[in-house]
Amino acid sequence: DGGITQSPKYLFRKEGQNVTLSCEQNLNHDAMYWYRQDPGQGLRLIYYSQIVNDFQKGDIAEGYSVSREKKESFPLTVTSAQKNPTAFYLCASSIRQIGGKLFFGSGTQLSVL
Amino acid sequence: DQQVKQNSPSLSVQEGRISILNCDYTNSMFDYFLWYKKYPAEGPTFLISISSIKDKNEDGRFTVFLNKSAKHLSLHIVPSQPGDSAVYFCAARGSGGSNYKLTFGKGTLLTVNP
Repeated sequence: DGGITQSPKYLFRKEGQNVTLSCEQNLNHDAMYWYRQDPGQGLRLIYYSQIVNDFQKGDIAEGYSVSREKKESFPLTVTSAQKNPTAFYLCASSIRQIGGKLFFGSGTQLSVL
Repeated sequence: DQQVKQNSPSLSVQEGRISILNCDYTNSMFDYFLWYKKYPAEGPTFLISISSIKDKNEDGRFTVFLNKSAKHLSLHIVPSQPGDSAVYFCAARGSGGSNYKLTFGKGTLLTVNP
């Protein structure tokens, strides 16, 4: 089955620690995105990538980093510079490089110990 | 500055009745609108969309209406079913140089009571 796989489902971060959230898709989509959801809030764009080896900052990129070395993979690193990392993180992809119908993974809940 | 607003955090309806979820936007450059449905601890799934050149789009029990002059769209679900209970997000796409991006509202929790 084609889809987007995020791992792990739950992740805990210690103070000063960097953690990496995995996102893999086998939909052959060009564009991939990372969103953050906080309770009672909408989804906010962290980073997006329209093509391999290229990515752009979204609205709340500070404290995060990404890479796009393969079409299928778009990992997100939450660095120690992100002071409020507790949130539900969603990875998405789309067949087109302009916004439209997004396919989302099942998310990763990140909490701070 | 919230460009996409869903002013009702929650809505409760009886099974078989109509559910109407509302969304307002402020950016007149948005050219495409989407609704997503989300269950707890899962990713959102696409439900229905509408281009700014249309005023209505229908897919089974789901209909989206767009009123560009009022910068308002709504999602109608008829008849509502208990399985429709979820959070519904309205999203809008920017045009031109912002066409990569969807802006989401905060969501409305729909509860359909049996």
